[in-house]
Amino acid sequence: SQTIHQWPATLVQPVGSPLSLECTVEGTSNPNLYWYRQAAGRGLQLLFYSVGIGQISSEVPQNLSASRPQDRQFILSSKKLLLSDSGFYLCAWGVFRNEQFFGPGTRLTVL
Amino acid sequence: AQKVTQAQTEISVVEKEDVTLDCVYETRDTTYYLFWYKQPPSGELVFLIRRNSFDEQNEISGRYSWNFQKSTSSFNFTITASQVVDSAVYFCALLYNNNDMRFGAGTRLTVKP
Repeated sequence: SQTIHQWPATLVQPVGSPLSLECTVEGTSNPNLYWYRQAAGRGLQLLFYSVGIGQISSEVPQNLSASRPQDRQFILSSKKLLLSDSGFYLCAWGVFRNEQFFGPGTRLTVL
Repeated sequence: AQKVTQAQTEISVVEKEDVTLDCVYETRDTTYYLFWYKQPPSGELVFLIRRNSFDEQNEISGRYSWNFQKSTSSFNFTITASQVVDSAVYFCALLYNNNDMRFGAGTRLTVKP
């Protein structure tokens, strides 16, 4: 069966510091991978998605970036965090025309 | 434009009551897919159901049922005999262009004992 891992589970970072969140998927090959952000009490905002290694589509211009160095690994990064980057970050995987399955999420607080 | 509207921000019911969560969508695509997800307090989104635009048959799974009506662009979710464990935020979502997913703002359901 497929599983999706995210780490860390929680993170507190100062403004201006770098960020690296990692997501890995097991039990499937060539999945579509997604990064979402959920602000407190709000819906989900799609940040990036990838249909293959090295292929990244950005939905929202911001100071975040994403990379997919391996088929089942998806990384969300920032060189300098802003206060507005605080939120709950969710990674998801899916296949063509089907539902997406979500990881446990990372709660990021930028102080 | 692709859009999902969940007009009910919060709903509070007493255990054993039935409750319906509304979802209205907009899309120009003729082929699309609709989903419901549950987000318990732990935060992880749990997939509940998927419906494609060619299948208007209603679905029942235990206490959960879904009513898909293309004529009104709605995909409503009913919980029968609600339980405290049903307390969560529920999201309706629309998949279009084969890969793009648009989520509604969510409905927070509180079931009181």
